[in-house]
Amino acid sequence: DQQVKQNSPSLSVQEGRISILNCDYTNSMFDYFLWYKKYPAEGPTFLISISSIKDKNEDGRFTVFLNKSAKHLSLHIVPSQPGDSAVYFCAASEWSGNQFYFGTGTSLTVIP
Amino acid sequence: DVKVTQSSRYLVKRTGEKVFLECVQDMDHENMFWYRQDPGLGLRLIYFSYDVKMKEKGDIPEGYSVSREKKERFSLILESASTNQTSMYLCASSSSRGVQGVRGNTIYFGEGSWLTVV
Repeated sequence: DQQVKQNSPSLSVQEGRISILNCDYTNSMFDYFLWYKKYPAEGPTFLISISSIKDKNEDGRFTVFLNKSAKHLSLHIVPSQPGDSAVYFCAASEWSGNQFYFGTGTSLTVIP
Repeated sequence: DVKVTQSSRYLVKRTGEKVFLECVQDMDHENMFWYRQDPGLGLRLIYFSYDVKMKEKGDIPEGYSVSREKKERFSLILESASTNQTSMYLCASSSSRGVQGVRGNTIYFGEGSWLTVV
């Protein structure tokens, strides 16, 4: 059973606008959440993370928001750039565990 | 910087061959993982290991085995390759030394190995 879900397989955004990628999870024991970016033929690279004690974490153009009551997180990219075109995976883990649970990914296309 | 190195980027093997995919990490991480990525299916965990000589099955272990004789090295073995094992294979590692509520464990991936079984 998929514990982390990304319900939008793809997203297209104009350059300079905001990209919003969404992720939902079902396990209330998850307390650490991560976003990864993946280009074709490369491994995923770590982008940004958030602990469950926060509801927002920002790093440059990237901001992750966490809504624990809704079991929902989102990644905002502002402004979007063509180089942001990639597949984005969200992941979740428990502090007490060593496993990571990934969503199925959202393919972002930023149109110049 | 964390470095996870996968020995082969591109392989073509014949059905029935035994295939070894090697992975080395240089950050003294306790945990190592093997995933495969297929379009529309995301990252699926094959096996993971949280210590030398320890292994745990992931979501799709059938047709695979693993070996972890040294902390830095984690090998994925396809005993008898089949065409449905054509995929991108990703090795990853993570520490168990996060700080609760502040910094969790981050998982780091290698570049991936593209395996084609013909």
